[in-house]
Amino acid sequence: KAGVTQTPRYLIKTRGQQVTLSCSPISGHRSVSWYQQTPGQGLQFLFEYFSETQRNKGNFPGRFSGRQFSNSRSEMNVSTLELGDSALYLCASSLNWPRWGSPLHFGNGTRLTVT
Amino acid sequence: AQTVTQSQPEMSVQEAETVTLSCTYDTSESNYYLFWYKQPPSRQMILVIRQEAYKQQNATENRFSVNFQKAAKSFSLKISDSQLGDTAMYFCAFPNYEETSGSRLTFGEGTQLTVNP
Repeated sequence: KAGVTQTPRYLIKTRGQQVTLSCSPISGHRSVSWYQQTPGQGLQFLFEYFSETQRNKGNFPGRFSGRQFSNSRSEMNVSTLELGDSALYLCASSLNWPRWGSPLHFGNGTRLTVT
Repeated sequence: AQTVTQSQPEMSVQEAETVTLSCTYDTSESNYYLFWYKQPPSRQMILVIRQEAYKQQNATENRFSVNFQKAAKSFSLKISDSQLGDTAMYFCAFPNYEETSGSRLTFGEGTQLTVNP
């Protein structure tokens, strides 16, 4: 079974631009989560989608948004990029939610650099 | 608020030896799950092991085992017969039960483990 696929692996953007990251979950997984990883803040939760609905959202500004399609694939968008948005963005999918013991399965991440 | 703490930013071990990584957490839940993940230089977060608080027995996955002390809210990861491929950042993670969905994982700060030949 194929794992979680994230594209692209690397992105370089300039301040003020916008960017879209893509994530294809493991087949059969309906929950997709996004995390931001930086050396200073560690792993921070962005949001989670289940059956095309955002079920949970972290403490990030409205410039960060996402969506999930009917095939469970998800996209994350960041508008008006700032230098501080430079990070590794990780996507994860799961059968159910971690509160019920369902582990998250992560992709390889997208490394975003904002210059 | 729920917290997860890993107090060892870096550790090193010789190949074939045993090492224990520490994790403590805080929760008012009585039954819950805990996870350990590893992140090698390839960047992919990989599930190492999962523990259910309700179960008395410590989880084991091949060379990886946990020492779960519920009363002390401690969840340590023991790696036996360490191999060079175990070199990675290790994260302890706990679901956020304060939210309705419980879909969020709170991660510790991580422990960078280096296995030396």
